[in-house]
Amino acid sequence: EDKVVQSPLSLVVHEGDTVTLNCSYEVTNFRSLLWYKQEKKAPTFLFMLTSSGIEKKSGRLSSILDKKELFSILNITATQTGDSAVYLCAVPLTIQGAQKLVFGQGTRLTINP
Amino acid sequence: DSGVTQTPKHLITATGQRVTLRCSPRSGDLSVYWYQQSLDQGLQFLIQYYNGEERAKGNILERFSAQQFPDLHSELNLSSLELGDSALYFCASSVQAGITGELFFGEGSRLTVL
Repeated sequence: EDKVVQSPLSLVVHEGDTVTLNCSYEVTNFRSLLWYKQEKKAPTFLFMLTSSGIEKKSGRLSSILDKKELFSILNITATQTGDSAVYLCAVPLTIQGAQKLVFGQGTRLTINP
Repeated sequence: DSGVTQTPKHLITATGQRVTLRCSPRSGDLSVYWYQQSLDQGLQFLIQYYNGEERAKGNILERFSAQQFPDLHSELNLSSLELGDSALYFCASSVQAGITGELFFGEGSRLTVL
């Protein structure tokens, strides 16, 4: 069965710490993995990863994909209280010629000042 | 602002009732996706429409239905509502039928069934 699993489910750290969020997947015909940040309402896009070993970076956030070991990590350095959110990873699944985006449960990150 | 508009933002209704949630995708986007997010289930894919036609179906109950109109806006109809249908319902849009890039999410419609 196709699945996307994130860990940890919840994480509390202090401002300035570095955090690593994990996303593992078991899907057929893997093509890409996406990371989203969800603060209060709508998830907002962070990264899309398609190639193994190539880091995507945006400011203090970075992500990398390991297609051999079937996982991705999202790193956040020098965390700030504004980084508090639920971080979601998602993988497109192709079923009967149509794609759907399947999300993991999310990691709830809390940054304390 | 993602450019995806959902109405209503909040809705409170009783069990057994029927509600309609509306979504206007970003200008130029042909695909509309509906997701349900409840506390214990995360984001669950319900259904996708592309240019007016149903494209992909997820865990959508038979009591739920959706459609996409010629102007590309979409409606999600929820009937015979149960307490367990209380959730945040998101609409997302993209240009293409397949997922080749990000989906743009609306702010969601929070449904409370009493």
